[in-house]
Amino acid sequence: AQSVTQLGSHVSVSEGALVLLRCNYSSSVPPYLFWYVQYPNQGLQLLLKYTTGATLVKGINGFEAEFKKSETSFHLTKPSAHMSDAAEYFCAVSESSSNTGKLIFGQGTTLQVKP
Amino acid sequence: DAGVTQSPTHLIKTRGQQVTLRCSPKSGHDTVSWYQQALGQGPQFIFQYYEEEERQRGNFPDRFSGHQFPNYSSELNVNALLLGDSALYLCASSPEYGGGHTQYFGPGTRLTVL
Repeated sequence: AQSVTQLGSHVSVSEGALVLLRCNYSSSVPPYLFWYVQYPNQGLQLLLKYTTGATLVKGINGFEAEFKKSETSFHLTKPSAHMSDAAEYFCAVSESSSNTGKLIFGQGTTLQVKP
Repeated sequence: DAGVTQSPTHLIKTRGQQVTLRCSPKSGHDTVSWYQQALGQGPQFIFQYYEEEERQRGNFPDRFSGHQFPNYSSELNVNALLLGDSALYLCASSPEYGGGHTQYFGPGTRLTVL
C-alpha cells in the first residue's frame, strides 16, 4: 500500500533562510509525486509534480524538489523564504499504474516564517 | 477561466441528517475527485467520477455516495451524519482520466455536524 510521511509537522525558518520540507513515500510501483500548498481557509494549490524524466523538478514561487528513488524521498526546498510562504504544505503520491490517479497525502507540514 | 467551484461554502447539520455538496469542475475537465480533510490532517480520497461512473473508491462507508452529471459537475451525498463527518470536503478536477494528471482543487465546503 502506498503511504506518505512528512517529517516534522511544524517547521520554522527566518525570512531569507533556506526552506526544507521533508517527504518520504512508500510505493510498490514507480510513483507520481506532488507537492501542494494550502493557505488558511483555502483549497490546495499545486506547487510542482514529478511524473517521469528529470528528477529535479522546479515549481512555482521558487520552490523545487528532487525525486530520489534510492531514498524514496521527494523533499521540497526553496533557497530564500518569504513571509508569504507561511502556509500548510502537503506531499502526495499516486501510483503510475493507477487508472485514476488517486492521491495519497501526508499529514502536512506547517511552515512558519519569522521576520 | 473559472477554477473549481464548490457550494455551499459552509454547512451546519445535526447528527442523523443528510447533506449534499456540489462541485463544478474547471472548464474542459471531465474527471472529478472528492477528498475529506479533517482538522489538522491531510486530505483523504473518497471517490472519483469519470463518464458519470464511480471509478475508484477510498475507505469510506456506503453512507458516502456521489454522482456526476453530463456537464461533468458532481455531487457528494452523505447520509446519517456522524460527528466524525465534520471536515472540509474538497473537490478536485483533472483534464483527463488517468494517473499523473494534475488535480485542481476547489476551496472546499466546511461541514460541521452537531
